[in-house]
Amino acid sequence: DAKTTQPPSMDCAEGRAANLPCNHSTISGNEYVYWYRQIHSQGPQYIIHGLKNNETNEMASLIITEDRKSSTLILPHATLRDTAVYYCIVRTSYDKVIFGPGTSLSVIP
Amino acid sequence: KAGVTQTPRYLIKTRGQQVTLSCSPISGHRSVSWYQQTPGQGLQFLFEYFSETQRNKGNFPGRFSGRQFSNSRSEMNVSTLELGDSALYLCASSSNPGTGQGAFFGQGTRLTVV
Repeated sequence: DAKTTQPPSMDCAEGRAANLPCNHSTISGNEYVYWYRQIHSQGPQYIIHGLKNNETNEMASLIITEDRKSSTLILPHATLRDTAVYYCIVRTSYDKVIFGPGTSLSVIP
Repeated sequence: KAGVTQTPRYLIKTRGQQVTLSCSPISGHRSVSWYQQTPGQGLQFLFEYFSETQRNKGNFPGRFSGRQFSNSRSEMNVSTLELGDSALYLCASSSNPGTGQGAFFGQGTRLTVV
């Protein structure tokens, strides 16, 4: 079973920041937080991952709370092309990847 | 760097037949995972291979099998196809386990069983 809880859907206005939350209250010390997204009919796309510290790359920022029980993926300036299902996954680097239902993000013009 | 390549992209088979799908990982990646995606069940893990050895396996019947070759290319096979096997089959590759790196997915093979 997935170890994370995400809202099933969210809307975001184009140009605004999209903040996607994820709860992982049972995360253990050696488990990473990964984010992927899937645009309709395409393979999932890796976005970012982190262990304890906040991370940023060219696509997004990942904010992990100090107790590591939740995290937020931030798309700083959402565009229509960011409309997708976003998956938050918690796993060690040796575990299989288990996808939950994710959050369906709709970016509204 | 070329991405993950899956072949074929589309496939139509008849119930009872068998099918083999192929996945070429990103150069240098030694781990390959397979997933089944259906509208009802979402993305489900099938199995993972690393250095020609199966490391993890999902909850699928024995009709689903896979293998990995010495060049890291992987194949999955489904025997005695059922209508319910119609799905998008996705392959993902990653570098050595333990690095924490994310997995990179191919575009998938759309299998239709009639």
